[in-house]
Amino acid sequence: DVKVTQSSRYLVKRTGEKVFLECVQDMDHENMFWYRQDPGLGLRLIYFSYDVKMKEKGDIPEGYSVSREKKERFSLILESASTNQTSMYLCASSFWQALTYNEQFFGPGTRLTVL
Amino acid sequence: DAKTTQPPSMDCAEGRAANLPCNHSTISGNEYVYWYRQIHSQGPQYIIHGLKNNETNEMASLIITEDRKSSTLILPHATLRDTAVYYCIVRGNAGKSTFGDGTTLTVKP
Repeated sequence: DVKVTQSSRYLVKRTGEKVFLECVQDMDHENMFWYRQDPGLGLRLIYFSYDVKMKEKGDIPEGYSVSREKKERFSLILESASTNQTSMYLCASSFWQALTYNEQFFGPGTRLTVL
Repeated sequence: DAKTTQPPSMDCAEGRAANLPCNHSTISGNEYVYWYRQIHSQGPQYIIHGLKNNETNEMASLIITEDRKSSTLILPHATLRDTAVYYCIVRGNAGKSTFGDGTTLTVKP
């Protein structure tokens, strides 16, 4: 089974702290994604990566950065956490196959609270 | 990527078929229809996808209208464990996809 793991299920940080969220997948997937999920707003794409050291902005990249130094690991970085970044963060990965066929596998999520 | 519209909530009796509709009237020719579901406190789980033909797998069936402007996900014998939020998305770009609010399906005994 494909496994996507995230470093923490729950995280509490203070405003202004630098926060790292880690995601690891074990299926040699090319694509990796970071989403945030908020009530009434669904899942929104923050950043994605289709190869090592490659990254693309999603719909809401402001206040975030990412790092993909190894194929299996995709990190989401909050340079200076703010209260409006309190959310559920979901990582996903997928194979790069045909342009339109790429089932995404999701991790369990990290619920981040910024105080 | 095309936008989708789903009812916010639906109920279904246990053992009956659950039919979840989705409108995607602006879908373009190379965009697939995907369905995911999210059970409380877990990440979304892939269910099924299709382009224009109807599809069936061990979890569900997907019926896509001939004009491709709408689709229906069918869970043939719903169980209490199928209670979840169901997302319909359409995607033509390998990188990005946008999830809406989905349909909250409640299966009742």
